[in-house]
This record gives sequence, structure tokens and C-alpha cells, in this order.
Amino acid sequence: QKEVEQNSGPLSVPEGAIASLNCTYSDRVSQSFFWYRQYSGKSPELIMSIYSNGDKEDGRFTAQLNKASQYVSLLIRDSQPSDSATYLCAVGNNDMRFGAGTRLTVKP
Amino acid sequence: ETGVTQSPTHLIKTRGQQVTLRCSSQSGHNTVSWYQQALGQGPQFIFQYYREEENGRGNFPPRFSGLQFPNYSSELNVNALELDDSALYLCASSSGTAYNSPLHFGNGTRLTVT
Repeated sequence: QKEVEQNSGPLSVPEGAIASLNCTYSDRVSQSFFWYRQYSGKSPELIMSIYSNGDKEDGRFTAQLNKASQYVSLLIRDSQPSDSATYLCAVGNNDMRFGAGTRLTVKP
Repeated sequence: ETGVTQSPTHLIKTRGQQVTLRCSSQSGHNTVSWYQQALGQGPQFIFQYYREEENGRGNFPPRFSGLQFPNYSSELNVNALELDDSALYLCASSSGTAYNSPLHFGNGTRLTVT
């Protein structure tokens, strides 16, 4: 079992729709959770961090964390073509582990 | 605020050679982490440096080594290069050693081993 798993994708949504990205992790004592966006040929950039169970909203982005289920998700509302990128889930405990990423395409 | 800078941008080496990659951390950050990202994969943790000492290491062989300098800049050294070492190498800085701080990435060094 991989330590951090993401839905494999690719994921394609029409412009204006909600994109839902999911991530599960294996280490139950993980403390911190992050979503990064990586455009093709670029380095990852931080979108959201979440540390407590529940929802955290930042503009069009909402991160959801459920530690009991070892699950973290990212919702992107009103998706735009500029949101097309690979989204990486990262989990922090004794180190920072990344999932393989989910490629999102938002079609105009 | 100065961001994370890496050099060189691209590098081509031959199998068996050695390579040194460099990173300057974001101002105010005292911790540097190095990641290897193969094509189509997520970043894989190599190691982290804090106060000039290694503070955590991923599943990479000893031929991957590093240094951190008093100004918090860092080097990644890879000896006896193998074809599978071809990847994007990412440096990320953060404040503190706890893995609950967001990472700020540089633009990476693309290493090709032939």
C-alpha cells in the first residue's frame, strides 16, 4: 500500500463545474496535510494546508480532512481552464510524503 | 522576499559521473528539503537539512548526500550516477524542522543521465 494515494485520473471537467480531488494516507498519526498545484514543467506551489478535521475554504478552493477515515480532499468550485494542472497531495509526519498526483483538465 | 533559487536549471551527465546541485533557501527559512521527481510521479523525499545537519532521510542510497551552509543554502551531491537518476530535483525551504510547515519550492534542476 502506498503511503499517500490519489485518484489516478486524469480528471476532466467543464469550465464552471466543481472538480473533486481525493487523497488517502496510511500513517494514522500524520499531523499536517497540504495540496500543491504543479503546472507542466514547473515546480509545485502551495494551494492549501489543513491540520484539523473538517473543511477549510480559501476562495474557490475547499480542503476537507477526515482523520478517522485517513482521507483528505480538495474541491475546486467554478473551475477555470487556468486550473488545469497536476494536483499533489502531501502528508506531513516524520517527513513530507507526496502522492503521485492527479492531472486535472478544465475544458472551456 | 527572495524565493528559493536552484542552479543549474538543466544538466546532462554520463553514467558513473558525479553531480552537485545547489539551492538557496527563501529568506527567513532555516530548513531545506530535497526531492526527486521522476516524470509522471510525485516528488520523493531525499533528505532534509536543518542547522547544517541532516534531519531526516528518505529511501535513497548513501551516494545521495548533502550539505547545508551557515546561510541555510544547500547542496545535493549524487555520486556514481545511474540512468534512473534522471529526474527533476526539487529543493524546498521551510521554517523549522517539524513537517507541518508548508514547503516553498524552487524551480528545480532537470538532470539527464546518459
